[in-house]
Amino acid sequence: AIQLTQSPSSLSASVGDRVTITCRASQGISSALAWYQQKPGKAPKLLIYDASSLESGVPSRFSGSGSGTDFTLTISSLQPEDFATYYCQQFNSYPPITFGQGTRLEIK
Amino acid sequence: QVQLVESGGGVVQPGGSLRLSCAASGFTFSSYGMHWVRQAPGKGLEWVAFIRYDGSNKYYADSVKGRFTISRDNSKNTLYLQMNSLRAEDTAVYYCAKERRRGVGAFDYWGQGTLVTVSS
Repeated sequence: AIQLTQSPSSLSASVGDRVTITCRASQGISSALAWYQQKPGKAPKLLIYDASSLESGVPSRFSGSGSGTDFTLTISSLQPEDFATYYCQQFNSYPPITFGQGTRLEIK
Repeated sequence: QVQLVESGGGVVQPGGSLRLSCAASGFTFSSYGMHWVRQAPGKGLEWVAFIRYDGSNKYYADSVKGRFTISRDNSKNTLYLQMNSLRAEDTAVYYCAKERRRGVGAFDYWGQGTLVTVSS
């Protein structure tokens, strides 16, 4: 199974900061990667699909990049509603579809 | 608007069974593959199972293979997860999710989740 490792596992930042979360795959997955945001008690929400495509309705401050084994999610200017946990997911090689362990983004 | 509504969760003893349902609306259910994903309390996301749009292919995580069965009824716009031989480690919120495009990819809509607790 392909393993996804996110870094950092947790992050403290302030409103207005630029934040980058990385996701590394244990083997190449082309661009078959998505990013999700999850708030406590809620279902995950799709932000980015195919590594860099912005899902409809998602603010443009979110962006994704990468291919192969290294990927990043960038939030250009943090807003109060962005404090949440973020997960990457690969769907290049399945089963299983796998998720990263999550990155918790907290207010500094 | 797309809606996915899970039901069927609850408390069950180890070794017991439970069937989850996911009622879909707002899209052509029979055109999309569907997934189950679970999240143990305080933990990350774990993919559980996938069924192709027409039910012809099914995939499972190793942790549930042989115990869980995914199925769908396209005439009722409903997805199911039959869970047998339940273990304490199956305790989690179970979400159904829709694939964004046919052929397995990102999940663009998720249900609100249903909690399954396996405990004596």
